[in-house]
Amino acid sequence: AQSVTQLGSHVSVSEGALVLLRCNYSSSVPPYLFWYVQYPNQGLQLLLKYTTGATLVKGINGFEAEFKKSETSFHLTKPSAHMSDAAEYFCAVSKRTGTASKLTFGTGTRLQVTL
Amino acid sequence: KAGVTQTPRYLIKTRGQQVTLSCSPISGHRSVSWYQQTPGQGLQFLFEYFSETQRNKGNFPGRFSGRQFSNSRSEMNVSTLELGDSALYLCASSLEGPGSGNGYTFGSGTRLTVV
Repeated sequence: AQSVTQLGSHVSVSEGALVLLRCNYSSSVPPYLFWYVQYPNQGLQLLLKYTTGATLVKGINGFEAEFKKSETSFHLTKPSAHMSDAAEYFCAVSKRTGTASKLTFGTGTRLQVTL
Repeated sequence: KAGVTQTPRYLIKTRGQQVTLSCSPISGHRSVSWYQQTPGQGLQFLFEYFSETQRNKGNFPGRFSGRQFSNSRSEMNVSTLELGDSALYLCASSLEGPGSGNGYTFGSGTRLTVV
């Protein structure tokens, strides 16, 4: 079974500082990997995904993530935080094969951005 | 193009009643999944439908059911509501489903409150 661990349920950074949200996965084979963001009272929006190819993936709003197979990690980063980045972020995985695949989410990390 | 539409946005029901939630996926998307989001349990997978067939089901009691129509629109039904069913119910659509690496596009959700 797949699982996702997000270290840190709350992360606080100053505006302009580096954002680092951690995600580790457990899977028998490398899965597809996703990061989603959720703003209050809204659904989830896809930030970026890793399926194959280059391990450094760039997404929307200046975010990027690097797939590291040896560390089973897919950490999300942004060089300079903006107030509008304050939201909840979810890492998710899905199996590469099989019609019974599903997205399995981590518990989420709430990002606070302070002045 | 139009996104994933969920109706209604908010719902208040009494214990013991039943409720039906609706989801219209992005045009051309054949896979629709449902998730329950609560502060305590996070994002929990309910089920996935593809071309009117349930392909995958989460670990929820039989009170939770769903279906998909020929136009890919989906409904989920919860019978004999319990207080613990209060949650944000999210619908997500995808071209082929999570196993293809497409990721999901989520709707804004239906906030169900059971009193």
